[in-house]
Amino acid sequence: AQSVAQPEDQVNVAEGNPLTVKCTYSVSGNPYLFWYVQYPNRGLQFLLKYITGDNLVKGSYGFEAEFNKSQTSFHLKKPSALVSDSALYFCAASNAGNMLTFGGGTRLMVKP
Amino acid sequence: EAGVTQSPTHLIKTRGQQATLRCSPISGHTSVYWYQQALGLGLQFLLWYDEGEERNRGNFPPRFSGRQFPNYSSELNVNALELEDSALYLCASSLAGLSSGANVLTFGAGSRLTVL
Repeated sequence: AQSVAQPEDQVNVAEGNPLTVKCTYSVSGNPYLFWYVQYPNRGLQFLLKYITGDNLVKGSYGFEAEFNKSQTSFHLKKPSALVSDSALYFCAASNAGNMLTFGGGTRLMVKP
Repeated sequence: EAGVTQSPTHLIKTRGQQATLRCSPISGHTSVYWYQQALGLGLQFLLWYDEGEERNRGNFPPRFSGRQFPNYSSELNVNALELEDSALYLCASSLAGLSSGANVLTFGAGSRLTVL
């Protein structure tokens, strides 16, 4: 069965500092990996995805994620955090069967 | 282009009643997915419809059911409501999903169901 783990319930970072939100996955075959963001009382918004190719994927709002096959990880990163980045972030994984499994979410708090 | 629309935005029911939630996908999207997001928890997969057929179902009891109409809109029905059914129900749509897991899901804003 597929599973996605986000080991941190919350990540705190100061504005201007780099941020990392961690994600590990377990998917049979080649994984398709996604990051979504959820602002209060809103649905999820797509940030970026990894399907194949370069391990470093660039997405919306300056976010990027690095696919590491040996560590089965897909950590979300941003070089310089903004207060407006504060939100709930979800990592998700699927394979050719198209079942998208989400992690439990990580709340990112960026303090001025 | 209109996004994924869900109705109602909020719904209050009492235990034992039935709730019906509706979802209209993005034009051209044939796959519709339903997820439950309980307070403080992640997203739990409920149902996936594609071309009018139920393709997959999450680990939920049979009182959670739904359907997809010929225009690809969908409804989720929850019978015999229980207190723990209180949650945000999210609908998402994508292009046809059978051949690829790489399609991006576009989510609606959700329907918040409160069971008293």
